[in-house]
Amino acid sequence: GDSVTQMEGPVTLSEEACLTINCTYTATGYPSLFWYVQYPGEGLQLLLKATKADDKGSNKGFEATYRKETTSFHLEKGSVQVSDSAVYFCALRYRGSQGNLIFGKGTKLSVKP
Amino acid sequence: DVKVTQSSRYLVKRTGEKVFLECVQDMDHENMFWYRQDPGLGLRLIYFSYDVKMKEKGDIPEGYSVSREKKERFSLILESASTNQTSMYLCASSFPDGLYEQYFGPGTRLTVT
Repeated sequence: GDSVTQMEGPVTLSEEACLTINCTYTATGYPSLFWYVQYPGEGLQLLLKATKADDKGSNKGFEATYRKETTSFHLEKGSVQVSDSAVYFCALRYRGSQGNLIFGKGTKLSVKP
Repeated sequence: DVKVTQSSRYLVKRTGEKVFLECVQDMDHENMFWYRQDPGLGLRLIYFSYDVKMKEKGDIPEGYSVSREKKERFSLILESASTNQTSMYLCASSFPDGLYEQYFGPGTRLTVT
């Protein structure tokens, strides 16, 4: 079945370090891909998305590129801040379907000053 | 601003009680979803609804039921709460196509004692 695999956490970085959170997916078709972020004590909010191959989603300094050849959607940021500390979820959803999001298990990021 | 609200942020119930979790969205979305979030397991879909009075089982529907009498409101019901239903419950809504992201509420942390 369809699935999303994220790198295991937790990830601890110093402020201004580079971030990469790996995400790969298994899917029979061509899904839309999403990164959601969950700040402490809050629900999930959309960080960025890409709806077709080679699309790059970006928001708040984060980027991810939809790579069909490697079935990946890695999240990157060049310089993290303490305020980026959160749990990050990669997810896929099929276009043209009523279906739900299929989530990865989440990666907890802690950024130290 | 788009809004998904949940009736309670924190709830404590006793084993065997009937529990209602309410979710309301103001975006005129057709689709609504209930997830539970547990450490190490990520988000798992309980039920979703793509129209008023319509419902579909998700991955873990056992022990739960849902109700959608109005487009903006989706209720999750625990018929007889058990301790293994202690969890964070997240409601979400979206337009019907997988091109569109889901918007999440802040979550209800339910403890069953």
